[in-house]
Amino acid sequence: GENVEQHPSTLSVQEGDSAVIKCTYSDSASNYFPWYKQELGKRPQLIIDIRSNVGEKKDQRIAVTLNKTAKHFSLHITETQPEDSAVYFCAASRTGRRALTFGSGTRLQVQP
Amino acid sequence: DAEITQSPRHKITETGRQVTLACHQTWNHNNMFWYRQDLGHGLRLIHYSYGVQDTNKGEVSDGYSVSRSNTEDLPLTLESAASSQTSVYFCASSEGQGNTEAFFGQGTRLTVV
Repeated sequence: GENVEQHPSTLSVQEGDSAVIKCTYSDSASNYFPWYKQELGKRPQLIIDIRSNVGEKKDQRIAVTLNKTAKHFSLHITETQPEDSAVYFCAASRTGRRALTFGSGTRLQVQP
Repeated sequence: DAEITQSPRHKITETGRQVTLACHQTWNHNNMFWYRQDLGHGLRLIHYSYGVQDTNKGEVSDGYSVSRSNTEDLPLTLESAASSQTSVYFCASSEGQGNTEAFFGQGTRLTVV
């Protein structure tokens, strides 16, 4: 089955800096890659997703890039703010399998 | 507003007892999932369902079961609770037959003593 690895497990940045979280996946048939944000004590919520027919997608300060050849995708957050502090999860799935396989999560702390 | 709710939010049970966690969604989503969240492991899939009477095992299904008798509900049963099943459990749902956004419930924190 699919295996998703996520790095780093923790990331601390200064407010205003950029943050990058990286994930690799094992199933070459995977074609859907969402990112979820989970604030302390809350439920995970989708912040951005990308499909395999697209190499990059951007939404304001958040962007995701996908390298299908290398089987890795990354989340980029620019101009970080304290409210970006949370745990971020990458995930992957493929056509015909609607269940997601998640990475182990990255705890991002933005220092004011 | 449509939503997905879990109950109870917190539960403490004893080893060996049967426990059922409820999940109810009002979006009429055909896909429903149960995950457990443990530090260092992210969210791991326990069971999932693509429609009424359909259930499938996930990567950590041992000791758990689900049933889907209607669109709205996917209860998760721990047949004989073990300390290793102490965790936070999340139910999620999504619509359609393709890969779409999964909406999560608030979570249930289960402690097995």
